[in-house]
Amino acid sequence: AQTVTQSQPEMSVQEAETVTLSCTYDTSESDYYLFWYKQPPSRQMILVIRQEAYKQQNATENRFSVNFQKAAKSFSLKISDSQLGDAAMYFCAYKVEYGNKLVFGAGTILRVKS
Amino acid sequence: DSGVTQTPKHLITATGQRVTLRCSPRSGDLSVYWYQQSLDQGLQFLIQYYNGEERAKGNILERFSAQQFPDLHSELNLSSLELGDSALYFCASSVADDGQAFFGQGTRLTVV
Repeated sequence: AQTVTQSQPEMSVQEAETVTLSCTYDTSESDYYLFWYKQPPSRQMILVIRQEAYKQQNATENRFSVNFQKAAKSFSLKISDSQLGDAAMYFCAYKVEYGNKLVFGAGTILRVKS
Repeated sequence: DSGVTQTPKHLITATGQRVTLRCSPRSGDLSVYWYQQSLDQGLQFLIQYYNGEERAKGNILERFSAQQFPDLHSELNLSSLELGDSALYFCASSVADDGQAFFGQGTRLTVV
């Protein structure tokens, strides 16, 4: 069974600084998707970034980028120039290419200090 | 706004009761997914419907059932409620199984 592990229950970052959230996963599949979702206090699950496993190039979305290491089954999220609005719970998630469900990690609470 | 609408936003009910949660997917999306978020279990996949038919089942209890109607909206029925069913229930939708699911704001269920 696929599993997703987020080893950092909580992280803090100073406004304007950079922070990296860690995620590892376990799968025997070769084709799959990886995601980072953000859940602010409003509870809405917001897609931050998506990575297709067949793509070697790391995905980027403005201040958000990933470091995808397929052999190591690692998928970290880097947030640059952190803003107060980035404070939220961040979930790493996995989905097999032709599968249905997302498998989520336990989440990392990110606090941003002003 | 993701375009996925869930009602109600909050629900408080007593043990043993039955409730129905409703989800309207984004326009054009054929797949609807239900997830449960609880402190104990984290975010867990419950069930998926695609164009009216059940497509996949996850950790859904027998007391829970779902359906997707011809207009593509979906309902999750929870019966014989227990205190442990208190959770945030999310609906998500996608065009197909392409991996990009958009989530609603969730229904907070409290069983007392």
